[in-house]
Amino acid sequence: QVQLRESGPGLVKPSQTLSLTCTVSGDSISRGNYYWSWIRQPAGKRLEWIGRIYASGSTNYNPSLESRVTISVDTSKNQFSLKLTSVTAADTAVYYCARNLGTWGQGTLVTVSS
Amino acid sequence: EIVLTQSPGTLSLSPGERATLSCRASQSVSSGNLAWYQQKPGQAPRLLIYGASSRATGLPDRFSGSGSGTDFTLTISRLEPEDFAVYYCQQYANLPFTFGPGTKVDIK
Repeated sequence: QVQLRESGPGLVKPSQTLSLTCTVSGDSISRGNYYWSWIRQPAGKRLEWIGRIYASGSTNYNPSLESRVTISVDTSKNQFSLKLTSVTAADTAVYYCARNLGTWGQGTLVTVSS
Repeated sequence: EIVLTQSPGTLSLSPGERATLSCRASQSVSSGNLAWYQQKPGQAPRLLIYGASSRATGLPDRFSGSGSGTDFTLTISRLEPEDFAVYYCQQYANLPFTFGPGTKVDIK
């Protein structure tokens, strides 16, 4: 049974870079025709799709964040990562990683504050 | 980008009642690439329905999805206590994928 777990700092200062990693267990990130996504949810608000990556490294990003986002994959570690630059308070949210539609991590809260 | 709206914002019902949730898209969602999720406080969203009407593995058959084009519906035939939660629709036909604002189903 595949499981995903997000990890990274829970507090980031304004203007700095938010970095999160999603570790996949129970399956190889390279196997199958899956895509691996990052989604976030500010408190009390709707979910926002950030972007996705395939094992090949091919990516798609939300245009609203594209200038600040990089998603990468490390198949040797069975992980994929999110980097979001120049963060502001508006980037405070629970960040989820997911495989396709149906398998999500538990989420990690990232607060942007000085 | 496809904008999704959901109605009603809140649905107050009693256990055993039928719940009908609506999701409307700003443009046609091709191939019925529309999913429904359930989210409880402090938890990640749980996939219920994909392809507009296909139930996720293990989902009770009291949950059903229907619709096409721009109008989609999630129906819970008889509410169980564990069904009180927030429900989101998501389209994955066009990039960027987008979510609706959610419908909260609470206990009357």
